[in-house]
Formats: sequence, C-alpha cells, structure tokens
Amino acid sequence: NAGVTQTPKFQVLKTGQSMTLQCAQDMNHNSMYWYRQDPGMGLRLIYYSASEGTTDKGEVPNGYNVSRLNKREFSLRLESAAPSQTSVYFCASSIVGASLQETQYFGPGTRLLVL
Amino acid sequence: GDSVTQMEGPVTLSEEAFLTINCTYTATGYPSLFWYVQYPGEGLQLLLKATKADDKGSNKGFEATYRKETTSFHLEKGSVQVSDSAVYFCALLIGGSQGNLIFGKGTKLSVKP
Repeated sequence: NAGVTQTPKFQVLKTGQSMTLQCAQDMNHNSMYWYRQDPGMGLRLIYYSASEGTTDKGEVPNGYNVSRLNKREFSLRLESAAPSQTSVYFCASSIVGASLQETQYFGPGTRLLVL
Repeated sequence: GDSVTQMEGPVTLSEEAFLTINCTYTATGYPSLFWYVQYPGEGLQLLLKATKADDKGSNKGFEATYRKETTSFHLEKGSVQVSDSAVYFCALLIGGSQGNLIFGKGTKLSVKP
C-alpha cells in the first residue's frame, strides 16, 4: 500500500514549455486534489475531483488543466509554464461522504522550477 | 468567506519547552478542524482533528480543543522534542464543500537541543 504517489519529484522547465504532473492513489478514495504550496501562502487548491469523471476549479486554477483518468489517477497539466508557477505541488486524496471526518492523504510533492 | 488564521512563525523553542500555536477560524457553517504537520522534504500528514464543539483531538502528545465560542483550535504540547521540528498547518473543512480543506499559512517550529 503506497498511499499517494507523485511523479516527478523535481522538474526544471523553461518558460512556455508544457508538462504533466502525475498522481496516483491506491486507497480506493473517491476524491482527489491538487494544491500548490508557496512560501508564506500555505496550501492553495488548484483543482479537485470529487469522483471519477468530474473535475472542478479550486482557488487558483488559471494556467492549469486536470484529468481524472480513472479512480486511481489524477494528473495536472501546465500547457505553457510561467515563472509564477514555480512552486511545490501536492496531490491528495480522501473519501468524502456524509461525515465530516474525512482525512486527506498527501503525496510527497513535486518541486517545479520555471526559468 | 471561510478562512483560517494561525500565528506567524518561525517559532524557536528549546527541547522540553511548552508549545502553543494559535489558530482561529471564520466559517459560515459548522466545520471540522484539523492540524496537519509537514516534516522537512515531505508531504503533509494529519496530526489530529476535531469534528464538533468542545471535542479535543490528540496525537503524539499534541492536543487541540475545538472552541466554538472563541472560534479557535490552538495546538499545544507540554514538552517538545527536536523531532517535532516541522511546519504545522491548521485547516478547516466545511460540510457540503466536497471535502475541500481551507488551510492556514503554516507555522514553522524549530526545536533546539
């Protein structure tokens, strides 16, 4: 049981390049999330997927697209990277139901540097 | 809107000192409250949680009590260790939000031997 895995761990891009960050979970969770973490800003939600086949915008979606490929996988794509997207990206997953006790489980993060 | 405010760091303590990290929230409904911890180079992991007023969450010697009257969820530990050095995030979860957490900005704790 690996939990939440993310690839790559580290990436350097030039402005205008594209890339996809991969995330997978093996806990049979229905909901998945992408966050970015910037110094002094905490974590901000980019996109989330409440279930397979659905995605919704979070607080900071501009410049990103997502795909919920199946129940396990949720990818984040940068079509044309900008220096403002330099950040650490975290994927998370949870089971969301009637209870408010759901815990989110986080991956180890992807550190992205855009030059 | 819904938000979380936590004390700014960094916080530097000596081993065995008492720790308090303040967290207050603004929410339109009745949220669940969480503390997450991030050790250097790692992702976040749940430290403790509380789902209703007056609940106390506890784990690894850390405690936090859900105070509805003061809209607070302060994190405390009686005797910190060097291994507690990390960034601590307070977060809230609103019902009907499809599980979306709202995080504070984080407080970095450094514990010196």
